[in-house]
Amino acid sequence: NAGVTQTPKFQVLKTGQSMTLQCAQDMNHEYMSWYRQDPGMGLRLIHYSVGAGITDQGEVPNGYNVSRSTTEDFPLRLLSAAPSQTSVYFCASSSSRTFAGELFFGEGSRLTVL
Amino acid sequence: GEDVEQSLFLSVREGDSSVINCTYTDSSSTYLYWYKQEPGAGLQLLTYIFSNMDMKQDQRLTVLLNKKDKHLSLRIADTQTGDSAIYFCAESIGDNYGQNFVFGPGTRLSVLP
Repeated sequence: NAGVTQTPKFQVLKTGQSMTLQCAQDMNHEYMSWYRQDPGMGLRLIHYSVGAGITDQGEVPNGYNVSRSTTEDFPLRLLSAAPSQTSVYFCASSSSRTFAGELFFGEGSRLTVL
Repeated sequence: GEDVEQSLFLSVREGDSSVINCTYTDSSSTYLYWYKQEPGAGLQLLTYIFSNMDMKQDQRLTVLLNKKDKHLSLRIADTQTGDSAIYFCAESIGDNYGQNFVFGPGTRLSVLP
């Protein structure tokens, strides 16, 4: 019963490095999204996708790229990491079949940029 | 833009009731939600309320919605140490099935023995 799986759980980067946070879901959900969580600011939407091949920007998209080649996977790419991107990142999925539009979250990926 | 506000901290004694408050701005939200985040974990849906309801009760949880004031509250009766967590208020925005959510900053509930 995997649900939403994120990797890695922890990562330390140097300024300017690039990396990809992986997200996979096995519930056949059409909607997937990435949030970042910062103290006192709640969750802010970075990018989202309503289906394979379709992505759109959320509230804080700068410095991040996404793609959705399959229903299952929704990777988040940091192009050139900056200390301001130090945060906890959550992937979430949902579906029109999900009761009341519930979002299912992964366990999070904690990223530190030095 | 849309905004959801809630206080950041709440401490209660074990056995007491906890009340977490939230204000939101988008009056067209279909659902309003409470999510719970335990330490080191992702968020999980705790409960929700449909926008045409005033109150919803689910075991120890009571959700009250005042649409006029755009105020949502979560009451936890007989609060236990296992209830210690961060509680997020959220509203769904947009036309589709809650695909876009706005979350509040979260209220950290500490339950003292």
